[in-house]
Amino acid sequence: DTAVSQTPKYLVTQMGNDKSIKCEQNLGHDTMYWYKQDSKKFLKIMFSYNNKELIINETVPNRFSPKSPDKAHLNLHINSLELGDSAVYFCASSHPGLAGYEQYFGPGTRLTVT
Amino acid sequence: AQRVTQPEKLLSVFKGAPVELKCNYSYSGSPELFWYVQYSRQRLQLLLRHISRESIKGFTADLNKGETSFHLKKPFAQEEDSAMYYCALPGAGSYQLTFGKGTKLSVIP
Repeated sequence: DTAVSQTPKYLVTQMGNDKSIKCEQNLGHDTMYWYKQDSKKFLKIMFSYNNKELIINETVPNRFSPKSPDKAHLNLHINSLELGDSAVYFCASSHPGLAGYEQYFGPGTRLTVT
Repeated sequence: AQRVTQPEKLLSVFKGAPVELKCNYSYSGSPELFWYVQYSRQRLQLLLRHISRESIKGFTADLNKGETSFHLKKPFAQEEDSAMYYCALPGAGSYQLTFGKGTKLSVIP
């Protein structure tokens, strides 16, 4: 069973479009994250949600809006896509407490903006 | 401020040679440190954490508080070890991880 899943796996779209990436975890974790991995493989956190509430919002353009309908889902909506948004986006989840820093990652969504 | 430094972007070694991936950190308090690995086109996954002091896939990492380092080591590299390796420590926020910039390990057959 897949622990953290993302859809779609690949997303190719044009500048100016709006797109969404979905993430689901079946681990019963309370905390979910979105990361961006750029072409140089730098991994940077974008958002973190705990029990459907936003707890981290790094310096990310407000074109990016996360939405958490329930504890198991954290979706990422991106408006007015730009070339610089091309990257691999990873969703992750973790359980609070002592193991809170062990994060389980999804397979990634490779976004290409043309 | 919490910071993780991985000085090498790329490390190439021959199969069977020892491997050491460097990680230095800056952290106030007692850090909990991790190594994550990402094989080609796969998801990032936890390799090991210093608190468990275990060896995973032949890799070990010792926390050296004096040198503020958490280097990842393996005595004999295998081709399947080729991957991106990220060192990480807790960030400023709850359950936030700060990742280093990663080191790409390439094991030459």
